[in-house]
Amino acid sequence: NAGVMQNPRHLVRRRGQEARLRCSPMKGHSHVYWYRQLPEEGLKFMVYLQKENIIDESGMPKERFSAEFPKEGPSILRIQQVVRGDSAAYFCASSPFGESYEQYFGPGTRLTVT
Amino acid sequence: RKEVEQDPGPFNVPEGATVAFNCTYSNSASQSFFWYRQDCRKEPKLLMSVYSSGNEDGRFTAQLNRASQYISLLIRDSKLSDSATYLCVVNLRFGAGTRLTVKP
Repeated sequence: NAGVMQNPRHLVRRRGQEARLRCSPMKGHSHVYWYRQLPEEGLKFMVYLQKENIIDESGMPKERFSAEFPKEGPSILRIQQVVRGDSAAYFCASSPFGESYEQYFGPGTRLTVT
Repeated sequence: RKEVEQDPGPFNVPEGATVAFNCTYSNSASQSFFWYRQDCRKEPKLLMSVYSSGNEDGRFTAQLNRASQYISLLIRDSKLSDSATYLCVVNLRFGAGTRLTVKP
């Protein structure tokens, strides 16, 4: 059973470009979570999605960031007009049911904004 | 006050030592509690769920104290391989992590 998959593993963008990060949950998991880890800091919750629904986006910055989890295909975290401060590791996790269940993490996407 | 606060560490202990981490949370209605470990800023790996009755897995014991709003992780007989950053999670919110180094 394949684990959570994220791609790309490394992404370099210039300031002002768009970044698209993809996450495929474990088979049978319909709940996806995105976290950001800035250098030398802990993981910060961003958003929690179930298929086609955003359940909790209280950790998402109000501007430039959006997330979706369509009926078919991976979850996408989209960052528009990236800035240097967006450079971080972005981790995706999935669980079979809701947030009370264990989450399994993907390897992360390292975003570097130049 | 942060939603989840964790011992800052670092903890440097000899092999065989017993070490305990605590984590406090602010939301009394919190329902989910976990401990993860993270190595070299790779993806977090699930260590244990934390239940009201407490739970044990080999050398690891996790406990929840709802009245005082904290969870704890106890590691007995520390191994070199236990060196990592330990992260508590309460309702999807991570603590900042505690760095543990086990030395020979």
